[in-house]
Amino acid sequence: DAGVIQSPRHEVTEMGQEVTLRCKPISGHDYLFWYRQTMMRGLELLIYFNNNVPIDDSGMPEDRFSAKMPNASFSTLKIQPSEPRDSAVYFCASSLRRGNENIQYFGAGTRLSVL
Amino acid sequence: AQSVTQLGSHVSVSEGALVLLRCNYSSSVPPYLFWYVQYPNQGLQLLLKYTSAATLVKGINGFEAEFKKSETSFHLTKPSAHMSDAAEYFCAVSKNTGGFKTIFGAGTRLFVKA
Repeated sequence: DAGVIQSPRHEVTEMGQEVTLRCKPISGHDYLFWYRQTMMRGLELLIYFNNNVPIDDSGMPEDRFSAKMPNASFSTLKIQPSEPRDSAVYFCASSLRRGNENIQYFGAGTRLSVL
Repeated sequence: AQSVTQLGSHVSVSEGALVLLRCNYSSSVPPYLFWYVQYPNQGLQLLLKYTSAATLVKGINGFEAEFKKSETSFHLTKPSAHMSDAAEYFCAVSKNTGGFKTIFGAGTRLFVKA
């Protein structure tokens, strides 16, 4: 398997623009997680899905952020409108639940810069 | 509620020296504990996991961690540091009640001096 695939790897945009980040999880995994990583706040869980259904979005910073998982092999994280404070590295991770074990496999991340 | 605390945001060792990265956890139930490593410009990857089978856990690249319930600790060690070990290390606890989250520590950046 190719692992978790994220695109694009880098995104530079201007304040106010819409940004869409994409993720393809590992085939067969039933959980998908979106994280944001910054120097100031570390690694933050934004939202996670189980079998394509959003379970917990309490980490989504505000209404400008939305995430979807239309099928088992694709998820998007959208920011509209984007702001400079959204600049961060966004990671997608997937896992296959075995009992209570939750080993997550991370993508390489999308580095977002909002000017 | 489960949480982890990593002591020291930066640790610097000489090549060949012992690596010790500290992690303390709090959990109301027997925890699943993990160490992940993040190399520059990459995502996190699993280094090792504790799932109650054995208190001393061996991982990849010569790392190991010991679960000590009495100290609520899960420190990561490696007998001899290599330059390639320079990375950021995250301790994590799996939250399996009221959800299926993993709670990550703040991370410890390891520097290895030649």
